Amino acid sequence: RKEVEQDPGPFNVPEGATVAFNCTYSNSASQSFFWYRQDCRKEPKLLMSVYSSGNEDGRFTAQLNRASQYISLLIRDSKLSDSATYLCVVNQAGTALIFGKGTTLSVSS
Amino acid sequence: DTGVSQNPRHKITKRGQNVTFRCDPISEHNRLYWYRQTLGQGPEFLTYFQNEAQLEKSRLLSDRFSAERPKGSFSTLEIQRTEQGDSAMYLCASSAQETQYFGPGTRLLVL
Repeated sequence: RKEVEQDPGPFNVPEGATVAFNCTYSNSASQSFFWYRQDCRKEPKLLMSVYSSGNEDGRFTAQLNRASQYISLLIRDSKLSDSATYLCVVNQAGTALIFGKGTTLSVSS
Repeated sequence: DTGVSQNPRHKITKRGQNVTFRCDPISEHNRLYWYRQTLGQGPEFLTYFQNEAQLEKSRLLSDRFSAERPKGSFSTLEIQRTEQGDSAMYLCASSAQETQYFGPGTRLLVL
């Protein structure tokens, strides 16, 4: 079983749509959780950290369920500029980031 | 630009040659990480430095891979006797605490 699993997509949505990505992780000792965004042929960039209490940043909401080892990302009112690959990431021991394969989002007008 | 920088940005080499990549972290960051990313995959952790000490290297892909950070500032990643399977994007990241910031990567093509 892979350490971090995501549905690779692609998710093709119209502008204004709400889209949700899910991710599961296998190591219950994982300590911190993130969503990174990666544009084509660019480096990953931190989108947001994920907390059990849930956190929101504008149109983006992230949620962590430690009991189910499940992480989610919700994007509301999708923009063309949201088109990218979204990487689910866990940090097990404060050092290495463990990445999922990524979920590709394409937002069209 | 005060972000993480990597050089070269692109490298084409022939199978069997050695290559070396450089990473300059954000200046106040004491932690430095190397990752490899192949097409359709997320980045894969390779190794980690805290200052000049290499604290984790068990995930280096083979003994052909080695990394250094001699003065606790910039780092180099060397691949000896390159193979076609080494073709990938090599990413460097740095951090002061938890959040890792990535450089633009070095894209390696082994012919």
